[in-house]
Amino acid sequence: GEDVEQSLFLSVREGDSSVINCTYTDSSSTYLYWYKQEPGAGLQLLTYIFSNMDMKQDQRLTVLLNKKDKHLSLRIADTQTGDSAIYFCAESISNFNKFYFGSGTKLNVKP
Amino acid sequence: NAGVTQTPKFQVLKTGQSMTLQCAQDMNHEYMSWYRQDPGMGLRLIHYSVGAGITDQGEVPNGYNVSRSTTEDFPLRLLSAAPSQTSVYFCASSLTEGNTEAFFGQGTRLTVV
Repeated sequence: GEDVEQSLFLSVREGDSSVINCTYTDSSSTYLYWYKQEPGAGLQLLTYIFSNMDMKQDQRLTVLLNKKDKHLSLRIADTQTGDSAIYFCAESISNFNKFYFGSGTKLNVKP
Repeated sequence: NAGVTQTPKFQVLKTGQSMTLQCAQDMNHEYMSWYRQDPGMGLRLIHYSVGAGITDQGEVPNGYNVSRSTTEDFPLRLLSAAPSQTSVYFCASSLTEGNTEAFFGQGTRLTVV
């Protein structure tokens, strides 16, 4: 399968920005995604970016894509305690709607 | 609109028992898939289906069977449960090929003792 890697933990203070990083191996990725998982819940799509874009902003969320380095990041501005969750990076390949997920980054927001 | 519904939410099995995890979606989605989530390993694709009557294997298909007799339902069968199948299982669906969003169920936490 494809390799999608993330660091496992990130801790920030409320009001700070959070940056969650992800690297992937397949250069034929069509879409790259960020999903959020709250305790005991399924995965919720936060945002996605087409592989021909390098940045996407959606309210407090900014996604940056560096195709050359196969690096994706999610920046959450003004992080709140409600942002505490596990964040998964995922890619889908060409025409197949199969997703390859990273191991998830657990974001802990301290008041 | 219920979205993706998985049942049961929790299940304990003895080694060697069989069971079926149910997944249903009411969004008329063509694509459905099953993932397992294990600590530190993200989600790994077990099986997927691109439409009724069509299924294929994902990354970790061994020990699991699926069928897709209708668009709405995509059950996952464990024929002879093993402790290595202790995991949280997620079903997902999406509308069309290349669609940007997969909708996930709430998950089934399975323990095999």
